Amino acid sequence: AQRVTQPEKLLSVFKGAPVELKCNYSYSGSPELFWYVQYSRQRLQLLLRHISRESIKGFTADLNKGETSFHLKKPFAQEEDSAMYYCALSKPGGGSRLTFGEGTQLTVNP
Amino acid sequence: NAGVTQTPKFQVLKTGQSMTLQCAQDMNHNSMYWYRQDPGMGLRLIYYSASEGTTDKGEVPNGYNVSRLNKREFSLRLESAAPSQTSVYFCASRIGQVDYGYTFGSGTRLTVV
Repeated sequence: AQRVTQPEKLLSVFKGAPVELKCNYSYSGSPELFWYVQYSRQRLQLLLRHISRESIKGFTADLNKGETSFHLKKPFAQEEDSAMYYCALSKPGGGSRLTFGEGTQLTVNP
Repeated sequence: NAGVTQTPKFQVLKTGQSMTLQCAQDMNHNSMYWYRQDPGMGLRLIYYSASEGTTDKGEVPNGYNVSRLNKREFSLRLESAAPSQTSVYFCASRIGQVDYGYTFGSGTRLTVV
């Protein structure tokens, strides 16, 4: 069965500090991985997908198959990055449902 | 282009009452999903519809039913609401064949008293 674990429910950093949100997964194959972000009382938005290897709003995430991780990183956090972040996994090939982690609430302090 | 539209945005029910949450998408997506969001538990899949005319159970289907009315609309029904169903409900859709992730609705905040 596929599973996503985000070990930190809460993460607090100061503005300008580096931030890393951890995501570990279990899946017997090569999954497709995503990060979603939810700003206060807004809908969830796709932040980035591992298959596109993109950087959005300064965030990057690298898939480490050996450690089965997909950690989200940003070198210099901004106050507007404060939000709930969800890591999610789906089977490859599209058309499949997403399994979400528990979420990490990031707070960036001034 | 509205994307995914959910109604209502807020609802308070008494235990035992029934209601239907509505969801519609205008992106011609094949697949639609209903999730519930609870603190510390992330998003859990209730039901999904991979394509028009099909529905399947997710992780937490008990106490819910769904209807894929047409390609655009996917409703979630609570037949006899319980306090454990107090949650924020999100509808989502995706195109199905090409994996660009989900598009989410703005959510329905449901309280069962």
